[in-house]
Amino acid sequence: ETGVTQTPRHLVMGMTNKKSLKCEQHLGHNAMYWYKQSAKKPLELMFVYNFKEQTENNSVPSRFSPECPNSSHLFLHLHTLQPEDSALYLCASSQDKGTGGGYEQYFGPGTRLTVT
Amino acid sequence: GEDVEQSLFLSVREGDSSVINCTYTDSSSTYLYWYKQEPGAGLQLLTYIFSNMDMKQDQRLTVLLNKKDKHLSLRIADTQTGDSAIYFCAERSGATNKLIFGTGTLLAVQP
Repeated sequence: ETGVTQTPRHLVMGMTNKKSLKCEQHLGHNAMYWYKQSAKKPLELMFVYNFKEQTENNSVPSRFSPECPNSSHLFLHLHTLQPEDSALYLCASSQDKGTGGGYEQYFGPGTRLTVT
Repeated sequence: GEDVEQSLFLSVREGDSSVINCTYTDSSSTYLYWYKQEPGAGLQLLTYIFSNMDMKQDQRLTVLLNKKDKHLSLRIADTQTGDSAIYFCAERSGATNKLIFGTGTLLAVQP
């Protein structure tokens, strides 16, 4: 148990559906992240939020829409996805100390998404 | 650009030592990390090392860093079947502060 929870753990959705992934961190961190993990590819950073403000969007298609209502919760809203979007979506959090120190990222268990 | 590479697979016998290697290209890396991912789970932070250190030991884990060659290794002593997992190396970019991950090394421990 890392202190980062994700729901649902598994999701199957059609290409016309709308669904949301939820992440919650209980570590008091100030930064949260969405990553995509596909088979045989490096982990891809999708979005970063620091103090609820989005600071990074790595050219992610608009069919993925993040939302960070507070520093403990992060959502990923999904709509009109493609089969190639099937992957494990991982949420992480960290305490960003600025440039002076390291900030370890703690990951949730992930949501296994299958788009049919 | 920033790149992190790892071998894809390592097989060892229970009780032996495992050494997982990683190379990276970013000379401005500040921290380097090792994560473990078990089936169906997220990434678990195992250990990390600051870029001005050569070695860090934590129980059965030893991290060695050769900054000149940009080479990082993770040694697991007395490897157990519970150590079977995918191990990811990651470097924190000094320029962007982002974590750049390798593709992971699958460690298979044979009884």
